[in-house]
Amino acid sequence: DVKVTQSSRYLVKRTGEKVFLECVQDMDHENMFWYRQDPGLGLRLIYFSYDVKMKEKGDIPEGYSVSREKKERFSLILESASTNQTSMYLCASTETGQVNGYTFGSGTRLTVV
Amino acid sequence: GQNIDQPTEMTATEGAIVQINCTYQTSGFNGLFWYQQHAGEAPTFLSYNVLDGLEEKGRFSSFLSRSKGYSYLLLKELQMKDSASYLCAVRDPTENQAGTALIFGKGTTLSVSS
Repeated sequence: DVKVTQSSRYLVKRTGEKVFLECVQDMDHENMFWYRQDPGLGLRLIYFSYDVKMKEKGDIPEGYSVSREKKERFSLILESASTNQTSMYLCASTETGQVNGYTFGSGTRLTVV
Repeated sequence: GQNIDQPTEMTATEGAIVQINCTYQTSGFNGLFWYQQHAGEAPTFLSYNVLDGLEEKGRFSSFLSRSKGYSYLLLKELQMKDSASYLCAVRDPTENQAGTALIFGKGTTLSVSS
């Protein structure tokens, strides 16, 4: 069964901490994405990557960075966590042209206190 | 600009039929997707339309009209487990270099009662 795995299901961090959210896929997909999902706002794209070491900003990249050193792993980094980054974070991957669209990870619910 | 609209909430009863509409205005178009998302879980793929017409898959069907920028998801013989959010998403090949980006609507929360 193909999978996108996010390392943590729930996470609580303090304001100002550096936070790493990890995502690993086993489908050899070129494209990986990080979204955050908030009530009433839907899914908003933070960053995506279409190849190793390649990245592009999404709609809301401020306060975030990403790393893709290996094809299967895409990390989201909160440089200095703030309370307005409390959210559900979803990782997704897809092969270019794949008709099923994205495969999502199970999500990480991050609370910044 | 990019915009995808769908109703915020809908309610229905077990055994009924419900239609969830989605309208979109995007710079490009290369397919429309419907996802189901239960509370606290990740979205899961339901359907994909790239040509006009109806795609049927069991109790779920999805329709697309590209000229009208319109799609709907039809759920038949509703069950309590169908209570979830339903996300409409458009693949816009102009959005990123790889042509893979999906633009999501805010989702429609469907509540099914007995």
